[in-house]
Amino acid sequence: EAQVTQNPRYLITVTGKKLTVTCSQNMNHEYMSWYRQDPGLGLRQIYYSMNVEVTDKGDVPEGYKVSRKEKRNFPLILESPSPNQTSLYFCASSAFQGPSYEQYFGPGTRLTVT
Amino acid sequence: AQSVAQPEDQVNVAEGNPLTVKCTYSVSGNPYLFWYVQYPNRGLQFLLKYITGDNLVKGSYGFEAEFNKSQTSFHLKKPSALVSDSALYFCAVREGAGYSSASKIIFGSGTRLSIRP
Repeated sequence: EAQVTQNPRYLITVTGKKLTVTCSQNMNHEYMSWYRQDPGLGLRQIYYSMNVEVTDKGDVPEGYKVSRKEKRNFPLILESPSPNQTSLYFCASSAFQGPSYEQYFGPGTRLTVT
Repeated sequence: AQSVAQPEDQVNVAEGNPLTVKCTYSVSGNPYLFWYVQYPNRGLQFLLKYITGDNLVKGSYGFEAEFNKSQTSFHLKKPSALVSDSALYFCAVREGAGYSSASKIIFGSGTRLSIRP
């Protein structure tokens, strides 16, 4: 089954404790992206990657890091989480080339930073 | 800079009636427009897209959307609403078309659709 998986689904942590949210897709997609969803703000892009070892900042990259060492994986790293990073996070992927630009989303990770 | 606006936070419709969820956009070049739906506790699911060609685009679950270049709009429509259509709907616009172009995607703030029996 074609899918995007994220782990963990729920995470409660404390300020300053480094964490990683994993994302993996099994569709051989080139493009992957991370979003955060906050009430009234819709989805805002954090980082995206057009291919292995190619990443770029989205609209709200501060406080986040990513890496793309393999095509299928795109982990999101919070080196020193703060309460304003409490949010619902989604990973997504899409086939970059050609007209198939729709994205496939993971189930989401709800992060609470206290 | 590109942007997307969904002017209504909530749309309420009776089951069986037609529904419209509005979206307007602003881009410097040709737009690539999308609608996604989010059910409770789930990720977003793709509904339909406009890339080029026919201005009326048909998608999943009986939804369609009309691209209007002069009004820079891409409203989502369905002739007869179902209670199961109740969800959060997002319009999105993609910037850049070539492989070497930046590939940012901008989402609207979302519209909550509520269908009453």
